[in-house]
Amino acid sequence: DTAVSQTPKYLVTQMGNDKSIKCEQNLGHDTMYWYKQDSKKFLKIMFSYNNKELIINETVPNRFSPKSPDKAHLNLHINSLELGDSAVYFCATGGLEGTDTQYFGPGTRLTVL
Amino acid sequence: QQQVKQSPQSLIVQKGGISIINCAYENTAFDYFPWYQQFPGKGPALLIAIRPDVSEKKEGRFTISFNKSAKQFSLHIMDSQPGDSATYFCAARGYSTLTFGKGTMLLVSP
Repeated sequence: DTAVSQTPKYLVTQMGNDKSIKCEQNLGHDTMYWYKQDSKKFLKIMFSYNNKELIINETVPNRFSPKSPDKAHLNLHINSLELGDSAVYFCATGGLEGTDTQYFGPGTRLTVL
Repeated sequence: QQQVKQSPQSLIVQKGGISIINCAYENTAFDYFPWYQQFPGKGPALLIAIRPDVSEKKEGRFTISFNKSAKQFSLHIMDSQPGDSATYFCAARGYSTLTFGKGTMLLVSP
């Protein structure tokens, strides 16, 4: 039973298109995140949602928009895709107190042609 | 501004040897320091973590050493195995987020 799942695993699309990546967690955590991992494997947080409220937006272009229909889901919508958006996107879930940590999904490799 | 500096960028160790990865941070507000292990095509997975009031934590072959005054912490992998070959990330928690180091690609040769 996968704790954090993402779909699709691979996404290949043309520049200018709009696409979405879905994320679901069954851990019951209050906070969900989106990270971008570039070709050099650098992990950078994009968004964080706590109880359906956005609490972080790390200077991400407004073409990217997270949408959380409920506590278990945090989807990432990307409009007008650009070549530089090609990366692996990870959803994560977790807490921020005590020894809470973050659990990552398997990732979605986005390739923009 | 990178708040967590990780070194080396890559590391090759013989099977049975000790792998050592170092991280340094700047922000004293960080309150939790996890290490993540990432295999190709997979998401990062928590390996081991430490709080700043502890100087060392050991779990099996993996040990974190923490030096609060120097604002440095390191991961030691004893008796390194080929199956340990992966990318390792240190991280620091603060301000409702995790800040990651740039990662170390470890290759353990048979």
